[in-house]
Amino acid sequence: AQSVSQHNHHVILSEAASLELGCNYSYGGTVNLFWYVQYPGQHLQLLLKYFSGDPLVKGIKGFEAEFIKSKFSFNLRKPSVQWSDTAEYFCAVNAWSGYSTLTFGKGTMLLVSP
Amino acid sequence: DTGVSQDPRHKITKRGQNVTFRCDPISEHNRLYWYRQTLGQGPEFLTYFQNEAQLEKSRLLSDRFSAERPKGSFSTLEIQRTEQGDSAMYLCASSFVTSGRDDEQYFGPGTRLTVT
Repeated sequence: AQSVSQHNHHVILSEAASLELGCNYSYGGTVNLFWYVQYPGQHLQLLLKYFSGDPLVKGIKGFEAEFIKSKFSFNLRKPSVQWSDTAEYFCAVNAWSGYSTLTFGKGTMLLVSP
Repeated sequence: DTGVSQDPRHKITKRGQNVTFRCDPISEHNRLYWYRQTLGQGPEFLTYFQNEAQLEKSRLLSDRFSAERPKGSFSTLEIQRTEQGDSAMYLCASSFVTSGRDDEQYFGPGTRLTVT
């Protein structure tokens, strides 16, 4: 069974600081990888996804993530965060086996102070 | 709004009562998923449909839970004899899949269930 581990449950940053949120998964086969964001009072939204090809993927709002297959990692990065990035971030993995079940990490709550 | 919608947004019920939630997916999407999310956790998969066929169910889905998607459009999730442990946010998502390859799932706002 696949699992996802997010390294930090809470992160506090000042505006303009750089962000890196760690995500590791356990599954030996081909995977699809996602980062979702949930802003306060809103529903889950897709930030970015990786299916195949270039392991560095760019998403909305200046976010990017790098898939490192050898490390089973898919870390999320942003060079300069804004107060509006305050949200909860979820990493998710889907084993590319024909089934659609997404396995989520527990999430990282990011608080950006102005 | 053409996103995934869920109804009701909030439900408070007494232990032992039955509840039913509805999800309307994005209209052209052929897959529909149900997840449950509790405080401090990420969403956990419950079940999913391709068109009207229920293809997979999690072991989290006890016999008290049943889901339907009778015409391949909207779906309902029913919980019978609710327990306090059922208190959670119930999320619905949908996607459009072709050639067996998964695509991104679009989530609804969720139904927050509180069992007293």
